Amino acid sequence: SQQGEEDPQALSIQEGENATMNCSYKTSINNLQWYRQNSGRGLVHLILIRSNEREKHSGRLRVTLDTSKKSSSLLITASRAADTASYFCATPYNTDKLIFGTGTRLQVFP
Amino acid sequence: NAGVMQNPRHLVRRRGQEARLRCSPMKGHSHVYWYRQLPEEGLKFMVYLQKENIIDESGMPKERFSAEFPKEGPSILRIQQVVRGDSAAYFCASSPPGTGLANYGYTFGSGTRLTVV
Repeated sequence: SQQGEEDPQALSIQEGENATMNCSYKTSINNLQWYRQNSGRGLVHLILIRSNEREKHSGRLRVTLDTSKKSSSLLITASRAADTASYFCATPYNTDKLIFGTGTRLQVFP
Repeated sequence: NAGVMQNPRHLVRRRGQEARLRCSPMKGHSHVYWYRQLPEEGLKFMVYLQKENIIDESGMPKERFSAEFPKEGPSILRIQQVVRGDSAAYFCASSPPGTGLANYGYTFGSGTRLTVV
């Protein structure tokens, strides 16, 4: 299976704390993408990091990529209750499909 | 500019019935992708279509499942003779022509939740 693995599977934190999620993948990649899924909804694209990039920022999100370890991390700083969602990493395969990880369920308590 | 529109949002079918799921891509998008999500799992690729063409159906079960994207109208994912194991959320995504996953992420619809009873 090409599917990536994410850890932790579930994460509970208080508002204001930082949340870190990790993703590992199996094949060489062109880029890695992170998506958020609120309960019962579709996925929202958060950020894309290319294989020649090591770190990327978008607002309170920080993504790192280590191609030698085939891993990426997503850091959400100063979390809010509205950040409660499932977060998935995904990598392109054969140019036309995404392979998704198993996801991290984040719960942020007010 | 409306996003990717999927309907119905929820669909209940009895075993043996047919399910038809519709996806209207974003305006200007001619590429459509269907994914399935089982409970507590990530999304799994099913099929990639362009107008009137199936480009990649490697993730589609060989039997009972079919997809189309006609010249006019939405893309349809059709499941014949549904079984309980087909219960899942089905998501559609679209992208404009000339782009690839090398540089862009997908825009997803809100999904259709199919329940087979």
